[in-house]
Amino acid sequence: RKEVEQDPGPFNVPEGATVAFNCTYSNSASQSFFWYRQDCRKEPKLLMSVYSSGNEDGRFTAQLNRASQYISLLIRDSKLSDSATYLCVVNPRRSSASKIIFGSGTRLSIRP
Amino acid sequence: DTEVTQTPKHLVMGMTNKKSLKCEQHMGHRAMYWYKQKAKKPPELMFVYSYEKLSINESVPSRFSPECPNSSLLNLHLHALQPEDSALYLCASSQDQGAEAFFGQGTRLTVV
Repeated sequence: RKEVEQDPGPFNVPEGATVAFNCTYSNSASQSFFWYRQDCRKEPKLLMSVYSSGNEDGRFTAQLNRASQYISLLIRDSKLSDSATYLCVVNPRRSSASKIIFGSGTRLSIRP
Repeated sequence: DTEVTQTPKHLVMGMTNKKSLKCEQHMGHRAMYWYKQKAKKPPELMFVYSYEKLSINESVPSRFSPECPNSSLLNLHLHALQPEDSALYLCASSQDQGAEAFFGQGTRLTVV
C-alpha cells in the first residue's frame, strides 16, 4: 500500500459546482497534513494546512479524519481558475528523519 | 515574503558538463529541500538539509551533489548526468523539517 494515495482523476466539473477529493495515508502516526495545488509546468503552491479541527479558507475546506486515516478537500462554487492538480502531502513523523510525502495528485478541470 | 528563488530557470547541458543549480530563501527557514519532478508525476524528494546539515539523502546517484553554504542558500552540483535526469528540479524550504514547505519556481533541466 502506498504511503499516500489519491484518486488521480481527472475530475471534470462545471463552473459553480462543488467538488471534493479524498486522500488516504497509511501511517497512523502521521503528524502534519497539507494540500498543495500545482498548475501545469509550475511549482507546487501551498493551498492550506489541514488541522485536526478542520479549517476553511474562503471556498476551500479541509478536513482530517484520523480514525479512517484520510484528509479531504472541498471546493465550493468552483471557478475556471481552480483547474489544476491538487497534491495531498503528509508528514509521517516529527524527527530528523521527517520528510513530507506527496500523493500522486488529483487533476481537476473546471469547464465553463 | 514567502519567496524561494531558483536559478537558472532553464538549463540545457551535455552529459560531460558540470553545472550547478542555486536556491535562495530569506524567510529564516531552517530546512531546505531538493525535489525532482518528471512530467505528470508528483515531486520526488532527493535531499533534505536541516540547520545546514544533510539530514536525508534519498539514495540519489552521486552525479548529484548537494551543498548548503549557509542557512539561506542551497546548491545542487551536477556532473556527468544522463538524459533520463532531464526533469524539473524544485527547491523548497520550511520553518523546520517536515513543516509546510514553500517551493521555488524550479529549474527545467534538459540533458542532451
